[in-house]
Amino acid sequence: DSGVTQTPKHLITATGQRVTLRCSPRSGDLSVYWYQQSLDQGLQFLIQYYNGEERAKGNILERFSAQQFPDLHSELNLSSLELGDSALYFCASSGLKANVLTFGAGSRLTVL
Amino acid sequence: GDSVTQMEGPVTLSEEAFLTINCTYTATGYPSLFWYVQYPGEGLQLLLKATKADDKGSNKGFEATYRKETTSFHLEKGSVQVSDSAVYFCALSDPVNQGGKLIFGQGTELSVKP
Repeated sequence: DSGVTQTPKHLITATGQRVTLRCSPRSGDLSVYWYQQSLDQGLQFLIQYYNGEERAKGNILERFSAQQFPDLHSELNLSSLELGDSALYFCASSGLKANVLTFGAGSRLTVL
Repeated sequence: GDSVTQMEGPVTLSEEAFLTINCTYTATGYPSLFWYVQYPGEGLQLLLKATKADDKGSNKGFEATYRKETTSFHLEKGSVQVSDSAVYFCALSDPVNQGGKLIFGQGTELSVKP
């Protein structure tokens, strides 16, 4: 157990729908990162939050949004889902050693 | 922008064989370099890291040396085991220029046969 908790582990939904993925970082970690892993794109950085504030943005689609709450958990919202959004979504957190990321087990999204 | 390139897989080896997975990077600053491993059905785990040139990271028999002159961070292990079968990702982080995020290579799948 890495200490980073992601829910749900698996999610199957239909095109056009909206889903929310949740991440609880390791205790004491202030930074949360979201990554998308797909066969054709590999591991793509989506977005980073630090203590509730957006810190960096990567290849995140406009249909996707995220936030980090005062208790430091984070949610990734994916809307108007398309078949191509099917992927593993990983959350990671980091603490004082900002460049050492601890990953959760991932949420596997399947869009049918 | 910064990027990481790994040798393509899959790599198939017999138990006790020598392993090398090549990794090269492009970065404008002075990044830290990492190897992460992903076992089937699991998330990524940090395997080893190096934060400056000529540093050697090591863990569980794996080693990698940060070579600034060749912009490389090749992963090696002298004798692989079946339990080493996984996908290995090389990554860099440049906190000064890129914040804390990791930029990953495409991953190299390793399969070790008994």
